[in-house]
Amino acid sequence: QKEVEQDPGPLSVPEGAIVSLNCTYSNSAFQYFMWYRQYSRKGPELLMYTYSSGNKEDGRFTAQVDKSSKYISLFIRDSQPSDSATYLCAMSPLNSGGSNYKLTFGKGTLLTVNP
Amino acid sequence: NAGVMQNPRHLVRRRGQEARLRCSPMKGHSHVYWYRQLPEEGLKFMVYLQKENIIDESGMPKERFSAEFPKEGPSILRIQQVVRGDSAAYFCASSPDASGPGYTFGSGTRLTVV
Repeated sequence: QKEVEQDPGPLSVPEGAIVSLNCTYSNSAFQYFMWYRQYSRKGPELLMYTYSSGNKEDGRFTAQVDKSSKYISLFIRDSQPSDSATYLCAMSPLNSGGSNYKLTFGKGTLLTVNP
Repeated sequence: NAGVMQNPRHLVRRRGQEARLRCSPMKGHSHVYWYRQLPEEGLKFMVYLQKENIIDESGMPKERFSAEFPKEGPSILRIQQVVRGDSAAYFCASSPDASGPGYTFGSGTRLTVV
């Protein structure tokens, strides 16, 4: 079993739809959970960051973490064509010294929002 | 602030040649991380460096790969005697410290071995 599983899609939705992206994981030591957005031929860009369980909202984006189920989600409301990209989940444990530098990524989900 | 700068953007090498990938972190960032993204795979951690020190190289292949971050100049990821399986996108990221949250990534170097 891979440490982080993410459905690669592709996922195609109409403009304005609510998008749900998900990852599951197996490593109970993961404490930090991140979502990155990656446009074609670009580097990943940090969207959301959550420590431990709970929800976090930033504009049209909401990140949820359910540690009991080892399941994280990213919701995009009122999706726009500019949201078309690959979305990567990433997570890390709390390393010694309090650092969390070593990220384990999902493979990414390719999202297309059609105008 | 120019962000994390990686060059070259694209690099083509013949089998057996050496590849040198360069990464200049964001201004004020002294922590550098290298990740590799193989086709159809997620990003995989390779190495974490601070100035003049390798902190964690647990993700580096045992042979042919090395990394450095000298006191002056960019961080360098060096791949000796490249093979076709080294073809991938190599991303560098930087941060002001190692405690998070998340990194700033560069746009990557796409290495093609022919």
